[in-house]
Parts: sequence; structure tokens; C-alpha cells
Amino acid sequence: NAGVTQTPKFRILKIGQSMTLQCTQDMNHNYMYWYRQDPGMGLKLIYYSVGAGITDKGEVPNGYNVSRSTTEDFPLRLELAAPSQTSVYFCASTHRLGHRGTEAFFGQGTRLTVV
Amino acid sequence: GENVGLHLPTLSVQEGDNSIINCAYSNSASDYFIWYKQESGKGPQFIIDIRSNMDKRQGQRVTVLLNKTVKHLSLQIAATQPGDSAVYFCAEISTPYSGGGADGLTFGKGTHLIIQP
Repeated sequence: NAGVTQTPKFRILKIGQSMTLQCTQDMNHNYMYWYRQDPGMGLKLIYYSVGAGITDKGEVPNGYNVSRSTTEDFPLRLELAAPSQTSVYFCASTHRLGHRGTEAFFGQGTRLTVV
Repeated sequence: GENVGLHLPTLSVQEGDNSIINCAYSNSASDYFIWYKQESGKGPQFIIDIRSNMDKRQGQRVTVLLNKTVKHLSLQIAATQPGDSAVYFCAEISTPYSGGGADGLTFGKGTHLIIQP
């Protein structure tokens, strides 16, 4: 059981470039999330999805876009990379919406540097 | 040994001793709290949670204490082992984000637990 898988693990982008961070889970979870973690800080929610075709903004959505065409996949898109987007990105999924009384499964993260 | 304080970035304990990691939360409306463990190069891993109507909850080698009066949360790890080395985050949950969907999950800055042999 692979759980939550993120690719790539590392990436360096130039300012203005675009990229897609991939996330897939094999636990048939309806609920998926994207977080960013800045150095020495906790996680902040970027976007989340309650099921295929449904997405919504979290705390820090600016500069990002998401889509959810299938239950398994929840890619995160950066259209015009900026240095402020240098961070570690984590994808997570849960079997119930939210984190109350339910364990969130996190991927191993994507370390993104924008130069 | 034990080290008690708030917002300590690093906590160093001897292997076999008990560890106490503290967290001060800000939102009095938060009604649910979670402790996560994050090992180097990995995503956060759920440890234990507690609802605001509880003062204490125990798991395997871990205990979470909640003091709502002073908005303080602590994680106690008994008989600390080398595998406990990690950054520990507390997270509080209050009102949902826009759209009424996901929980308003707010993470603290984390405490790095270092185990001395």
C-alpha cells in the first residue's frame, strides 16, 4: 500500500517558470489537501478537495491552482513561479473531511526552490 | 531530563528519560488539537489528538495534556527512544476555512526533539 505519493521530490525553478506538483493516493480517500511548509514553520493549507471535481481555497491559495479530475490525483499548479513560493510542499489525504478524529496521511514532500 | 518552557525550538533529552514538549495555542475557540511528528525528510505523522472537552488523553508511550484556562497543550513521551528524534508540531482546529469545508488547521512552529545517548 503506497499511501500518498508525491513527485518530484526536489525541483529548482527559475522565476516565471511554471510546473505541476503531482500527488496521488491509493486509499480511496475523498478528501485531499495541499500544504506548504516554510523553513522552521508549521504547515499552511493552500487548497483542498472534497472529491473529484470539487476544490476550494485554503489559507494561502494565491499563486496556485489545483484540479481534481479523479479520486486518486490532486495536482498543484504553479503558473508563474516566484521566490516567495520557495518551500516544501506536502500533499495529504483523509477518509473523512477535515482532521477531527481522523488521521491524515501525508506524502514525503516536494522541496521547491525558485531562483 | 525534562525541560519545561514555551516555544522552545530545541529540546534535548537523555535516552530513557521522559520528554515534555509544550505548545501555547492562540484561539480560544479551538476545539480540537493534534500532535504531529515529522522526521527529517518526511511528511508529518499523526501521533495523538484531544478534544477540548478533555484534559488528558493517553496513547502508547504518549500523553497529551490540555489546559484550556491558559491555552496550553503538552505532549509527554515516556522512556524516550532514539526513534523519537523529530520535530513535533501541535495543531489546533477551529472554524472551517472559506467554503465551510476543510478544518481551520493551524500549526505551531514546532519543537525539535534531540535524543542524547
